Amino acid sequence: DQQVKQNSPSLSVQEGRISILNCDYTNSMFDYFLWYKKYPAEGPTFLISISSIKDKNEDGRFTVFLNKSAKHLSLHIVPSQPGDSAVYFCAASALGTGANNLFFGTGTRLTVIP
Amino acid sequence: DSGVTQTPKHLITATGQRVTLRCSPRSGDLSVYWYQQSLDQGLQFLIQYYNGEERAKGNILERFSAQQFPDLHSELNLSSLELGDSALYFCASSVNPGETQYFGPGTRLLVL
Repeated sequence: DQQVKQNSPSLSVQEGRISILNCDYTNSMFDYFLWYKKYPAEGPTFLISISSIKDKNEDGRFTVFLNKSAKHLSLHIVPSQPGDSAVYFCAASALGTGANNLFFGTGTRLTVIP
Repeated sequence: DSGVTQTPKHLITATGQRVTLRCSPRSGDLSVYWYQQSLDQGLQFLIQYYNGEERAKGNILERFSAQQFPDLHSELNLSSLELGDSALYFCASSVNPGETQYFGPGTRLLVL
């Protein structure tokens, strides 16, 4: 049972425009959410996280939005750059229940077109 | 550089063989996780250790086993290897379970 879902396997965006990557989850106990970026043949790199007590967290060009009622989070990249082309994974954890692990989505491949 | 190291970087072996993958977590991290990624698929969680003890199991085959040593490094043992075991194997670490995980560069295993 996939508790974290990324329904778009791929996304193409023009350089300079906004990239919006989406993620849905089913477990209402999730209270900590993360985005990772992965280049081919490399390990995932932590990008940004958000706690369920917030609905937005920003770090430079990256902003994560959390909509708890809809069980939905999104990652906005503005402006998009060719170097942002990678696979993006969202992940979630239930820290408040003493969770052991992160649950990962299946990833969205972002291609930024120069 | 995440601070997590994995060796070897590449491994080529034959079916039926056994291999050991090694992971050193970031300094101060007590929790170690192992993941498998096959053919550009998602990250499949295999197993987690916390301070030397197994904490959670995912989709880990019985032919696979792992352990975490007193110095907190971890090893993943893969035995009776099959062609389908060819994949990227990632190790990650975190301070405590469930928190942000930092990934190593991975070991690429090719079973011929």
